[in-house]
Amino acid sequence: KQEVTQIPAALSVPEGENLVLNCSFTDSAIYNLQWFRQDPGKGLTSLLLIQSSQREQTSGRLNASLDKSSGRSTLYIAASQPGDSATYLCAVSHDLPYSGGGADGLTFGKGTHLIIQP
Amino acid sequence: DAMVIQNPRYQVTQFGKPVTLSCSQTLNHNVMYWYQQKSSQAPKLLFHYYDKDFNNEADTPDNFQSRRPNTSFCFLDIRSPGLGDAAMYLCATSRDYRPQHFGDGTRLSIL
Repeated sequence: KQEVTQIPAALSVPEGENLVLNCSFTDSAIYNLQWFRQDPGKGLTSLLLIQSSQREQTSGRLNASLDKSSGRSTLYIAASQPGDSATYLCAVSHDLPYSGGGADGLTFGKGTHLIIQP
Repeated sequence: DAMVIQNPRYQVTQFGKPVTLSCSQTLNHNVMYWYQQKSSQAPKLLFHYYDKDFNNEADTPDNFQSRRPNTSFCFLDIRSPGLGDAAMYLCATSRDYRPQHFGDGTRLSIL
């Protein structure tokens, strides 16, 4: 059974710092990995998706890397801002038996609660 | 804008009283998912529809049911809610291996 772990569980840093959030998974047979942001009381916003054949993806100040063989991903946030304060969730999907694909649910970590101090 | 809409945002029900949560989407995605997220925990997949095919997770309680009358709508029915069912319920959609798109969730409280 796939297990996803995120470290640290919580992080508080001053504005402007570069930071790294870590995600690890026990079963390397993943199809893709997604990073999400969740604001308090809200749903999930997809930040980056990395296919299993890729090593990294970038969007603005965010960069996510994937080392499938070692079961690790990192989310790098450059020049952090108070608006980045949220919970960041990592999730993996898996190869499927379906010919159509795309129907597998995601296995999530518990998230990293991030606070950026002004 | 195309999106995933969940109604209501907040739902309060009584212990044992059936409740239905709804999800609609304008993305024309063929897959719809329901997740349960308890406080400070990871979202947990309850079930999903691939087109009209219903796929239940092995550990989803029988108390939870789902209906998908058409491509755009999906419902989560909780037949006899218990105190342990208080949570945020998240609906998501996808097409093939593209990213899943989530709604804002429905927060369910049980009195």
